[in-house]
Amino acid sequence: GAGVSQTPSNKVTEKGKYVELRCDPISGHTALYWYRQSLGQGPEFLIYFQGTGAADDSGLPNDRFFAVRPEGSVSTLKIQRTERGDSAVYLCASSFTGTGPDTQYFGPGTRLTVL
Amino acid sequence: AQKVTQAQTEISVVEKEDVTLDCVYETRDTTYYLFWYKQPPSGELVFLIRRNSFDEQNEISGRYSWNFQKSTSSFNFTITASQVVDSAVYFCALSAPSQGGSEKLVFGKGMKLTVNP
Repeated sequence: GAGVSQTPSNKVTEKGKYVELRCDPISGHTALYWYRQSLGQGPEFLIYFQGTGAADDSGLPNDRFFAVRPEGSVSTLKIQRTERGDSAVYLCASSFTGTGPDTQYFGPGTRLTVL
Repeated sequence: AQKVTQAQTEISVVEKEDVTLDCVYETRDTTYYLFWYKQPPSGELVFLIRRNSFDEQNEISGRYSWNFQKSTSSFNFTITASQVVDSAVYFCALSAPSQGGSEKLVFGKGMKLTVNP
C-alpha cells in the first residue's frame, strides 16, 4: 500500500513569505505527527493530530506556525512570515491510533529553504 | 524531561566488520518505548525496531541485533557483517504517553555510519 506522502519535496521561498506544506498519511491512520529536522540533527516534534484535532501542539516554536487536518486525513503545515531559521526538512509521520505501542511511519519530507 | 544521547556522531568501517551503535536514554516514565530508525541518503526515515520498557529481551533480525538494558538505560544496536547498503544515519528515539495521548518521539542526534567496500 501507499506510504506517507508529502508535497512539495522542495520549497524555496523568500524571507517574510507564507508557505504551506502538505502531508497525506497512510490510509486508515488516525494519528499524524509533524517534525522538523535541521541539518545534522535528529527530528524534533512539532504537533500531533488525533483525527481532526490538534491534541498536542507543544512543539510549535511560535505563533507563526500552524497546522490543520480538517477531515482527519490530509494535514497542512502553515508557516507565516518565514524566517531564514525556518529552513529545515519538515517530516510528517502517521500511525494507526497514536496510542499504545504504535509505530510512526515517516514520509520523505519537504525541504524548506528560506532565502 | 526525556532525552536520548547518541555519543558517537560518525563511524566508518570496512565491509564485513561488525559495528555497534550506542544509545542512552533518560526518562522518568515507567512505561516508554524505544525505537531505532535508519535514514539513508535518500532522506526517508525507515523504521527498524520498537521495544517497550517491560521487555528487556534482546532481539535479532538477520544481521541486526538490539541489546536493551534498563539498568544502564541503554538500547544499543549491532550490525553484524556490515554491508555498503548499511551506510546511513541511524537514529535512536524514545516515546512515552504525553499530552493529549501523543506518543511523540524524542530523537537522538543520529550516528552516521559509512561502510566502505
